[in-house]
Amino acid sequence: AQSVTQPDIHITVSEGASLELRCNYSYGATPYLFWYVQSPGQGLQLLLKYFSGDTLVQGIKGFEAEFKRSQSSFNLRKPSVHWSDAAEYFCAVGVRGATNKLIFGTGTLLAVQP
Amino acid sequence: EAQVTQNPRYLITVTGKKLTVTCSQNMNHEYMSWYRQDPGLGLRQIYYSMNVEVTDKGDVPEGYKVSRKEKRNFPLILESPSPNQTSLYFCASSLFGTGTGGLNTEAFFGQGTRLTVV
Repeated sequence: AQSVTQPDIHITVSEGASLELRCNYSYGATPYLFWYVQSPGQGLQLLLKYFSGDTLVQGIKGFEAEFKRSQSSFNLRKPSVHWSDAAEYFCAVGVRGATNKLIFGTGTLLAVQP
Repeated sequence: EAQVTQNPRYLITVTGKKLTVTCSQNMNHEYMSWYRQDPGLGLRQIYYSMNVEVTDKGDVPEGYKVSRKEKRNFPLILESPSPNQTSLYFCASSLFGTGTGGLNTEAFFGQGTRLTVV
């Protein structure tokens, strides 16, 4: 069965520090992978997506993610975190076929210290 | 502006009182879906619709109904709400869904409806 695991429920980083949020997926075929961000009181906004091709994808707000098939991972990174990055981050895999849905991880809540 | 609009944003209701959460998109998307978000569980799909008059169950459909009479609207209906349906609900739309060659599978989300059933 398809699934997404985000092992870190909560992460705190200092402003200006680098960030890596982990995501592992289980999917039988080449996955469609996404990272979404949810700011407090807001809906989900797409940060970036991977469908095929270059395994390092760039997104909005200075985020990037790397697809590693051998590790079934799609970790999100940012070289220097800003206070406005405090939010909850969701990794998702898109299921191709009849159901056409996104399967989400449980999310990682990011806190940024001044 | 491309958007998905949900109403209401907040709702407190009593057990058994029927309610409808509306969802409308202005992007001419064919695919729409409803998710609920619960702490520690992430987002789970309730129902989805591939197009007008085509709907199907997601992972957690019990206690919910949907309809898709027009392309832009996809209301979520709770005929007899119960406290275990207290949750944060999101409507989402995308051009075709995830099964069409990956041409455009970005999902746009509404701002959410926080429902409390007492």
